[in-house]
Amino acid sequence: NAGVTQTPKFQVLKTGQSMTLQCAQDMNHEYMSWYRQDPGMGLRLIHYSVGAGITDQGEVPNGYNVSRSTTEDFPLRLLSAAPSQTSVYFCASSPGDGTSTDTQYFGPGTRLTVL
Amino acid sequence: TQLLEQSPQFLSIQEGENLTVYCNSSSVFSSLQWYRQEPGEGPVLLVTVVTGGEVKKLKRLTFQFGDARKDSSLHITAAQTGDTGLYLCAGLNYGGSQGNLIFGKGTKLSVKP
Repeated sequence: NAGVTQTPKFQVLKTGQSMTLQCAQDMNHEYMSWYRQDPGMGLRLIHYSVGAGITDQGEVPNGYNVSRSTTEDFPLRLLSAAPSQTSVYFCASSPGDGTSTDTQYFGPGTRLTVL
Repeated sequence: TQLLEQSPQFLSIQEGENLTVYCNSSSVFSSLQWYRQEPGEGPVLLVTVVTGGEVKKLKRLTFQFGDARKDSSLHITAAQTGDTGLYLCAGLNYGGSQGNLIFGKGTKLSVKP
């Protein structure tokens, strides 16, 4: 199992450009999430999905779109990049067994810089 | 908005010392998780505590969930350089999914030889 994979590892964008951050998992997990991590801010939830075809907003959804057409993939789209979106982005997945001990697995992250 | 406050924010100690990291909230959580994150990598789950007053041990790491399920602590005995990293606590609301974890801001631990 590769676990949770994210591409690219690093990305530099200019303000106004759009791009998609890829996330895939091979563990057949139902739940997938996107977080951003900023210095001194911890991890903040952007969007999440409880299964294919179902997505919902997290704490900081503005400027981002997601879709979940398959169980394996959960891409994050930046519609018009802004310097405030400079951050490290983490994708995570969990089996979604509905229990409090459901384990969340994180990908290695994408470091995004918006100039 | 629910918040998880972690303290201290930074901690620098010598190898062999003991330390405690705290995670506090005014809200009640159904469970609380502790993660460790190394530079350039994603967080890795260390433990989940579910029952109020629960104590779990992972080698030299001891995790405790407060009786009221509002706070937790992580105690490391005889720290080693390999313990260096960012420690994050995360709380899960009652009835919430893993998509609704609330993370603290983290404690950055540096253990010097």
